[in-house]
Amino acid sequence: QQQVKQSPQSLIVQKGGISIINCAYENTAFDYFPWYQQFPGKGPALLIAIRPDVSEKKEGRFTISFNKSAKQFSLHIMDSQPGDSATYFCAAKGNTGKLIFGQGTTLQVKP
Amino acid sequence: DAGITQSPRHKVTETGTPVTLRCHQTENHRYMYWYRQDPGHGLRLIHYSYGVKDTDKGEVSDGYSVSRSKTEDFLLTLESATSSQTSVYFCAISGKDQPQHFGDGTRLSIL
Repeated sequence: QQQVKQSPQSLIVQKGGISIINCAYENTAFDYFPWYQQFPGKGPALLIAIRPDVSEKKEGRFTISFNKSAKQFSLHIMDSQPGDSATYFCAAKGNTGKLIFGQGTTLQVKP
Repeated sequence: DAGITQSPRHKVTETGTPVTLRCHQTENHRYMYWYRQDPGHGLRLIHYSYGVKDTDKGEVSDGYSVSRSKTEDFLLTLESATSSQTSVYFCAISGKDQPQHFGDGTRLSIL
């Protein structure tokens, strides 16, 4: 119930392509869904977040798509760049206030 | 970056020794968290604090203790380190209903 399942584990995309990372959850009490980006040797940094009252949120090249009925959400990175190469984590938070993280996706964008 | 300093950044120690990691914040945030990051597991919550001397257990609290005697400092202690506690440890902070911001981590190796 408390798990967030993230896929794929790793992803290789050509420069200019679209990167898509998916997450699924079970707990319908979750009401906040952030995505974090992490570069080697650094801590995770908040990238973009969504609440379940909207189906999509876009910030620059990054978009979250949210499907409440399917209990799934995904991160789309448009026009992927080598500088986007990093590990991405989805997460979910419910009424406990605690963040539950997915397992992470390592993205490599090839020039 | 978000006024969070973790120390030490790297530590190598032996099984059975006590280890204390420190998280220091300059943001005066109420909430502080300790996570561990392991391949395939994402970030897992160890303990968190919701005020001075107010702490609670997370998902993987066995073998760890915490203390918070001042708003700015949150200590994580491994009373008797084991090899299974080799990991990268992250501290995070947040205000009420605000996103969590992470430090740059402590890489701990237990031989």
